[in-house]
Amino acid sequence: NAGVTQTPKFQVLKTGQSMTLQCAQDMNHEYMSWYRQDPGMGLRLIHYSVGAGITDQGEVPNGYNVSRSTTEDFPLRLLSAAPSQTSVYFCASSRWDSEQYFGPGTRLTVT
Amino acid sequence: GENVEQHPSTLSVQEGDSAVIKCTYSDSASNYFPWYKQELGKRPQLIIDIRSNVGEKKDQRIAVTLNKTAKHFSLHITETQPEDSAVYFCAASERGSTLGRLYFGRGTQLTVWP
Repeated sequence: NAGVTQTPKFQVLKTGQSMTLQCAQDMNHEYMSWYRQDPGMGLRLIHYSVGAGITDQGEVPNGYNVSRSTTEDFPLRLLSAAPSQTSVYFCASSRWDSEQYFGPGTRLTVT
Repeated sequence: GENVEQHPSTLSVQEGDSAVIKCTYSDSASNYFPWYKQELGKRPQLIIDIRSNVGEKKDQRIAVTLNKTAKHFSLHITETQPEDSAVYFCAASERGSTLGRLYFGRGTQLTVWP
């Protein structure tokens, strides 16, 4: 199993540009989520999904969209990037009663 | 929603000493408490977890204790080694529910000096 994969690993955007961060898992996990990690702020939940076709907002959803058309994929879209979205983004997945596995992360810089 | 607080934010210990990190949570429905270790530039990885029907769990040099009445749980690392240096995150969740989301503390930077 590849586990949780994320692409790209690094990205630089200009303010106002849009992009999609990709996340996939091959463990047939129901639950998937996106976090952002900023210095001193821990891991903050952006959006999460409890299954294909079902998504919900986390703590910091503004400026981000998600969709879950399949069990395996959970892309995160930035519609109009802002410098405040400079961060490291982690995707994670789990079953209902097991540990949450994290992807390797995407380091995003918005100039 | 759940609120998890973690202390201290930084912790320095001498190699061989013990380290203790403490977390409190607010939602009495939370029943799953994992601890993650994140090395510099890497992803968070689970090191130990505990469920609300257990008061203590050990795995070699690592132990976690849970006090449901006081709503706090702690990570204990004994005989610390330089490779224990990392950021540690606690979290709380109501596992098995339709939510299943993890609420994280802000992390503790542990430095172990040789």
